[in-house]
Amino acid sequence: EAGVTQSPTHLIKTRGQQATLRCSPISGHTSVYWYQQALGLGLQFLLWYDEGEERNRGNFPPRFSGRQFPNYSSELNVNALELEDSALYLCASTRQTGWRETQYFGPGTRLLVL
Amino acid sequence: QQQVKQSPQSLIVQKGGISIINCAYENTAFDYFPWYQQFPGKGPALLIAIRPDVSEKKEGRFTISFNKSAKQFSLHIMDSQPGDSATYFCAASRDSGAGSYQLTFGKGTKLSVIP
Repeated sequence: EAGVTQSPTHLIKTRGQQATLRCSPISGHTSVYWYQQALGLGLQFLLWYDEGEERNRGNFPPRFSGRQFPNYSSELNVNALELEDSALYLCASTRQTGWRETQYFGPGTRLLVL
Repeated sequence: QQQVKQSPQSLIVQKGGISIINCAYENTAFDYFPWYQQFPGKGPALLIAIRPDVSEKKEGRFTISFNKSAKQFSLHIMDSQPGDSATYFCAASRDSGAGSYQLTFGKGTKLSVIP
């Protein structure tokens, strides 16, 4: 069974540009979470998509947005990039909602903003 | 506001020794406590998890100890091996509304097991 995949693996942008990150969940998983892993800050929850809808978002500004497609893959968009947006962006998928559902993480996209 | 505090930041253990990583949480609404292991260049992977109605859970060389009254939980790695060298994250989860169970993570502990 293929795991969660993310693309691209690395992305270099300049301040003010937009970045688009993509995530394909494990087959059969309908729920996708996005996390930001910035240096020294651990992983912080960004967004949750389930059945094509944004269900919850973390404490991040509106320039962080995304969507989930009918095939349950997801896209994270970061507009007006700032230097502090440089981080590893991880997505995780689960079969369904529920606190016992294991979140399976992809390898991440490393975003560097210059 | 950091809701899950993890210590130490880094840990060096000799092969065969016991590695201990501690976490403390503030929000009593948390009801699920997983530990994740992350190798360089990889995403975190679930190692072991515990619910608050259990004081200890063991899976192979990995044990979670949970103290509900102290709002603390810890990961013990027995007979630590060089292959255990990785970054370990504790996390906590609760229903954040609308069925959302996002994880709140500690900042991580970088474990190095030396031969």
